[in-house]
Formats: sequence, C-alpha cells, structure tokens
Amino acid sequence: GAGVSQTPSNKVTEKGKYVELRCDPISGHTALYWYRQSLGQGPEFLIYFQGTGAADDSGLPNDRFFAVRPEGSVSTLKIQRTERGDSAVYLCASSLGNTQYFGPGTRLTVL
Amino acid sequence: AQSVTQPDIHITVSEGASLELRCNYSYGATPYLFWYVQSPGQGLQLLLKYFSGDTLVQGIKGFEAEFKRSQSSFNLRKPSVHWSDAAEYFCAVPRQAGTALIFGKGTTLSVSS
Repeated sequence: GAGVSQTPSNKVTEKGKYVELRCDPISGHTALYWYRQSLGQGPEFLIYFQGTGAADDSGLPNDRFFAVRPEGSVSTLKIQRTERGDSAVYLCASSLGNTQYFGPGTRLTVL
Repeated sequence: AQSVTQPDIHITVSEGASLELRCNYSYGATPYLFWYVQSPGQGLQLLLKYFSGDTLVQGIKGFEAEFKRSQSSFNLRKPSVHWSDAAEYFCAVPRQAGTALIFGKGTTLSVSS
C-alpha cells in the first residue's frame, strides 16, 4: 500500500509568515509522529499523536508550533511567525505497533 | 535518560569491503533498537530492528546488526559494501516503549571505487 506522504515537499517562506505542513499517514496507523531534522543532525522529536489526541507534545520548541490531527488520520503541523532558525526538514512518521515508517519530509526554508 | 551515540561522523569504505557502523545506547531496560538509512533528499528507511530474542538480526539490503547488552551496543554490519550503500545511517531507541524515537547524530558512509 501507499506509504506516508507529506506535502509540500519544499516550502520557502519569509520570516514572520505562517506555514502549514501536511502529513498523510499509512492507512490504519493509529500513531503519528512529527520530527525536525536540521542539517547534519539526526531527527528530533516534536509531537506524537495517538488517534486524535496529542499524547506527547514535549518536543515542540515553543508556542509558535502547533499540530492537529482532527480525524485521527491526516495531521497538520502549523508554525506561526516563522524564524530563520525554523529552517529544517520536517519529517512525519506513522506506526501501528513499535515500528515507525517515515515520509519523505518537507524542507522548510525561512528567508 | 535514554540516549544514542554514534561515535563515527563519517566513514569511507572501499566497494566490496566490509562495513561496521557503531551505535551505543543508554536505556533503563531492554531496549528496542532500530537502524534507519537516509539517502540524499530522501526520508528514513528502516533497515532492521531488534525487539527481543536472537541478538543477531537480519535486515534489508544485506545488513545485519548485533545487540550486545554487556557493551550497550547495536552495531550495524555488512560483509560487502556496494556503491549504492552510500548514505547516512541512524541508530535509534524509543523515548519510552512504543513512543517517539531518539536518534543518534548519524554516520555518513562514503563508498570509494
């Protein structure tokens, strides 16, 4: 079946703007994760959903970052008042058990 | 707290030579352990995982890894490297069972001809 998909693949925005990044998980996967990967680093956890609720949002760096998963499937990561330091690849993963499957990521560039 | 260390930032191996990428972890109990590979501009692909049982696990693309509890290690190996194996490799453990992963900083593998 289809894997995890993320849109857009690339997003360029200006400092101060609002962006939304979308993740479409593997059908039937109840858990969904967002990570951020900066250049030369491993992915870092942002937020984890089990169903519709955020089970753990302790990785969100500040209140400019927010994520939703209203119907327990597609998730949107929202970043307000973007800063240049938000530039990174944002990865989404989904799982049914203990193994996470990753999407291709969205490369966000804040000018 | 859980953590993962990949001591080697960059490794170069000749095509056809064997490969070992090191991973050391810190975890309170018997960990789940994962190796992922990331090719340039791509997402993470699962190579193999260890949950329990046989400490030598086989993965895709001819990779294997061995869990050594006494050394807190989960090193990735391949007997004969191909040019297409050039990529970034990440070792990971869960923050807690069944939740988000903690990744090492990764090891970049270059393959020379």
